[in-house]
Amino acid sequence: KQEVTQIPAALSVPEGENLVLNCSFTDSAIYNLQWFRQDPGKGLTSLLLIQSSQREQTSGRLNASLDKSSGRSTLYIAASQPGDSATYLCAVHSGYSTLTFGKGTMLLVSP
Amino acid sequence: NAGVTQTPKFRVLKTGQSMTLLCAQDMNHEYMYWYRQDPGMGLRLIHYSVGEGTTAKGEVPDGYNVSRLKKQNFLLGLESAAPSQTSVYFCASTQGPGPYEQYFGPGTRLTVT
Repeated sequence: KQEVTQIPAALSVPEGENLVLNCSFTDSAIYNLQWFRQDPGKGLTSLLLIQSSQREQTSGRLNASLDKSSGRSTLYIAASQPGDSATYLCAVHSGYSTLTFGKGTMLLVSP
Repeated sequence: NAGVTQTPKFRVLKTGQSMTLLCAQDMNHEYMYWYRQDPGMGLRLIHYSVGEGTTAKGEVPDGYNVSRLKKQNFLLGLESAAPSQTSVYFCASTQGPGPYEQYFGPGTRLTVT
C-alpha cells in the first residue's frame, strides 16, 4: 500500500526566504506526482505535475523535483510572499490514476 | 468552462438521514473520484469511476454508495448518515491514467449530528 509522508508538518518563515517542502513515498511504481495548494476552507489547486519519467518541473517561483528511485520529491518556493501562506499537499498517482495524499505542510509566510 | 462543481456546499444532517452529493464536470473527463478530508487524516479516497456506468471502491467506501449514470456526473450517497461521516467531501476528475492532472471541486462540508 502506497504511503506518502510530508515533512515538515508546519513551517513559518519571514517574507523573502527560499524554502523547501519535502515529500516521500513508499512505492516507486507511480505514474506521476502532483503538488497542490489548499487555502483554508477551500478546495485544492494544482500547482505542478511531474511525470514519472521527469526529474523536475517549474512554474514561476515554484520548482518541483522527483527522484522516483529513492521515493522523494521536493517543492522549492523562491522568494516567498505572504500570499504563499497555505497548506501544500503532495499526492502520488498510482493504479487507475488514484491519488494517495500526504497530510500536508502548513506554510505561514510573515511580512 | 466551470470545471468541477459540487452541490450542495454545506449540509447538516441528523443521524440516520440520507442524502446525495452531486459532482459535475464539463471537461469530458473519463475518471472521477470522491474523497473525504478529515483533520489529521488527510484526504482519503472513498469511491471512483473510470467511465460512465462503472464504479469502484477506494480506501474508505463503507457507508457510501456511488453512481455514474452520465459521464459528466458522479453521485455520492449516504443511506443512513452517522456522526463519523462528518467531513469535507471533495470530488475530482481527470482525463485518464498517466500524465494527467486531477482537478478538484470546491468541496461540500457535511455535519452529521
